[in-house]
Amino acid sequence: DTAVSQTPKYLVTQMGNDKSIKCEQNLGHDTMYWYKQDSKKFLKIMFSYNNKELIINETVPNRFSPKSPDKAHLNLHINSLELGDSAVYFCASSRQGAGLNTEAFFGQGTRLTVV
Amino acid sequence: AQSVAQPEDQVNVAEGNPLTVKCTYSVSGNPYLFWYVQYPNRGLQFLLKYITGDNLVKGSYGFEAEFNKSQTSFHLKKPSALVSDSALYFCAVRDGTGRRALTFGSGTRLQVQP
Repeated sequence: DTAVSQTPKYLVTQMGNDKSIKCEQNLGHDTMYWYKQDSKKFLKIMFSYNNKELIINETVPNRFSPKSPDKAHLNLHINSLELGDSAVYFCASSRQGAGLNTEAFFGQGTRLTVV
Repeated sequence: AQSVAQPEDQVNVAEGNPLTVKCTYSVSGNPYLFWYVQYPNRGLQFLLKYITGDNLVKGSYGFEAEFNKSQTSFHLKKPSALVSDSALYFCAVRDGTGRRALTFGSGTRLQVQP
């Protein structure tokens, strides 16, 4: 009964490849996010979707493309992977309709290593 | 733009002693403040939040945080530290302008020595 689940947990791939990370939440939330945690543990927002609509798109390379087939899923596709993309990627969700005071729930993270 | 500062990269405390992890913030409008904890190779777990009302907020695992508007601070505290509290702690803020994503501080590693 995991609330926010990401797959895969670990991903090792070569430069230039295209890969996807999947995220699903069973909390009934209407807003989902992707965060990137770098090697220094700094967390930065990448994207946010509300009811399948993109509402936040930070300065992320075009090689990163989120896709939300429905409110419960937010997948992250990465094209032409580069060494600098190596990081831990966290999916999260929250309930926007309740206002700004709702906490976000995070997945376990996907550790991406580009070699 | 909103921002969060955690001035200490690491805090060391002996088991049984009180602990404080510092956080200051900068937002436009009313702040909505959160603390999360991250254990090794795990996701972030929500600890507590301040929205409005009482400046002392109680959360999970015996943690509490004190909101101080004049000092724009939201320090995390616990009266008696446990070795199992050793982890990475993140302060986060969501401003009142409608942007939904949390802005996180750089994290503070708490090391509790037995």
